[in-house]
Order: sequence, then C-alpha cells, then structure tokens
Amino acid sequence: DAKTTQPNSMESNEEEPVHLPCNHSTISGTDYIHWYRQLPSQGPEYVIHGLTSNVNNRMASLAIAEDRKSSTLILHRATLRDAAVYYCILYNNNDMRFGAGTRLTVKP
Amino acid sequence: DTGVSQNPRHKITKRGQNVTFRCDPISEHNRLYWYRQTLGQGPEFLTYFQNEAQLEKSRLLSDRFSAERPKGSFSTLEIQRTEQGDSAMYLCASRKAGGAYGYTFGSGTRLTVV
Repeated sequence: DAKTTQPNSMESNEEEPVHLPCNHSTISGTDYIHWYRQLPSQGPEYVIHGLTSNVNNRMASLAIAEDRKSSTLILHRATLRDAAVYYCILYNNNDMRFGAGTRLTVKP
Repeated sequence: DTGVSQNPRHKITKRGQNVTFRCDPISEHNRLYWYRQTLGQGPEFLTYFQNEAQLEKSRLLSDRFSAERPKGSFSTLEIQRTEQGDSAMYLCASRKAGGAYGYTFGSGTRLTVV
C-alpha cells in the first residue's frame, strides 16, 4: 500500500487558516488522495478527496502538488469544532488504510 | 437514509464470552468495511464485503473473529472467546464501489472486555 506521512500534531488559533500537509512520494497514477477527520468519540468523517486538480467543498480545500507527491488540506477559518485528528489516505478502490494522522488543536 | 448505523454503541463483556456487533450500511452502498481502533491509533482495517462476498481479511482477523453479510445488506462481526486485548472501538463503514467515492463511517461499537 502506498503510504503517507503527516505531522503528529499541529496547533492553530481560532478563525485563522490552517494548512495540514501530507507527503505521499510513492503515489501511483490511479491513487486518489482522501482526507478524513475524526472528532473525539466519533467515527471518521469524510472531508474531501482529489486526484490531480485542486478541490474545494463546503468543509475545506485540497491543494495537490503538480507532481502529486504531496498535498495540503486547507481549513480557511478554523473553529473550535475543527479540533480533531485529520487523516490523509491514498486510495485505489480497495480497502482504506489509515495512519496515525495529525491531531489539530484549535486555541480560542 | 440516516447514515451508517451500528449497534450496540457500548458493550461490556467478561473474558471468554462471545459478542456480536451489527452494522446497517447506507442502503445503496454495495461495499461494507470493518475496522478496529484502539486509543491513540488510527483505525485498523479488518475486512470488507462487496455485496455479500467477503473480499479481503486482515491478518488481524484471527480465527476467533468472523464477519458476515448474508444478504448484502447489514453485516455482523462476531468475536468468540473474547480476550482483554479485544477491547477497542469497532467501526463500520460503507461506500459505493469506485475510487472516487468516500467512506461513510458509523459511530462505532466500543467493546470493553473485563
């Protein structure tokens, strides 16, 4: 399975943008880049995914490097409710394998 | 559709007992996945189904574990002769087949083996 590398933790101030990085240097041409987040005591929640082009939705934006070896999840204005573990996953229509993710702390 | 439903939410059992968990996926999703998550770790893949066929099982799924999806709708995960190391959150997810589709997870069943 292609693997991803994320920082263990990050901090942000409320109402400021957050950029969560992910490295995936062994990505293959058919791997989608998926992001999920997990709030305390809940199952993971889908955030966004992309293949080659940058993507935007109501929750976040996904910026994908031109060589696809890295990506960045962007939360435009962090709120206290965005405090969670964020997982970056490469996915190719089989089973999804999670790493340890990045624990995001949002300070008021 | 109200999403992926898992029952029970919590289960406390004595070591050596058998337990069974149920997952009801989103109705039009033909793929169903089981994961296990321990404190501080990401979810670990256990097994998945496409319709009623079990297509892959992780090495984590010892012979004490069995999963079924008899009619391609709901699924059950049974653990026989539970051990304290089985204490974890058991998560179910469903999706449509195809790499472009995301997973929808349930809230999980928290198992405590005492």
